[in-house]
Amino acid sequence: DIVLTQSPTTMAASPGEKVTLTCRASSSVSYMNWYQQKPGASPKLWIYGTSKLASGVPNRFSGSGSGTSYSLIISSMETEDIATYYCQQCCSTPFTFGSGTKLEIK
Amino acid sequence: EVQLVESGGGLVQPGRSLKLSCLASGFTFSNYGMNWIRQAPGKGLEWVASISSSSSYIYYADTVKGRFTISRDNAKNTLYLQMTSLRSEDTALYYCARHDYYSSYIPGWGYWGQGVMVTVSS
Repeated sequence: DIVLTQSPTTMAASPGEKVTLTCRASSSVSYMNWYQQKPGASPKLWIYGTSKLASGVPNRFSGSGSGTSYSLIISSMETEDIATYYCQQCCSTPFTFGSGTKLEIK
Repeated sequence: EVQLVESGGGLVQPGRSLKLSCLASGFTFSNYGMNWIRQAPGKGLEWVASISSSSSYIYYADTVKGRFTISRDNAKNTLYLQMTSLRSEDTALYYCARHDYYSSYIPGWGYWGQGVMVTVSS
């Protein structure tokens, strides 16, 4: 099974700050998806296919990576970005998720 | 509008069974694979099971294999999760999610229900 390790577990960023969340896979994956989950809400597909933004996602978000190393980047942190972000390998069972990065505002 | 509404959760004793349902609307249910995902209180997301549009392909997480059964009734637009031999570690919010393909070939779960709580406790 592919294990996804996200870092950091929690981070706080100031408004306007650039944020980088990392997801490392135990073996190479074709693509990485990212989901955003706010407290009390269902997860939302945020980035698919490593770098493509889901519908409605602000363009301050971007995704990159290949092989075993992937990133979700926010170019300029905003208050509405407070959430937990999960990476997920999409393309072979089991469809594992990372343990999440909780993003807070500083 | 795509809607997924889970039901059937509740408090159940260890070792007992429970069946969850996910009623789909706003799309042609029979054209899409579906998934169950769970989230224990205060924890992360865990994939549970997946089923293809015609039920030809079914997959389970090792943690539920042999105890849970995913199924669907395309005539009723409903996805099911039959859970048996329940354990305390099965306590979680259970979500159903639609299996989509983006850019024609990239899998992603773009639509999720609101979740249904299952509590396993004596």
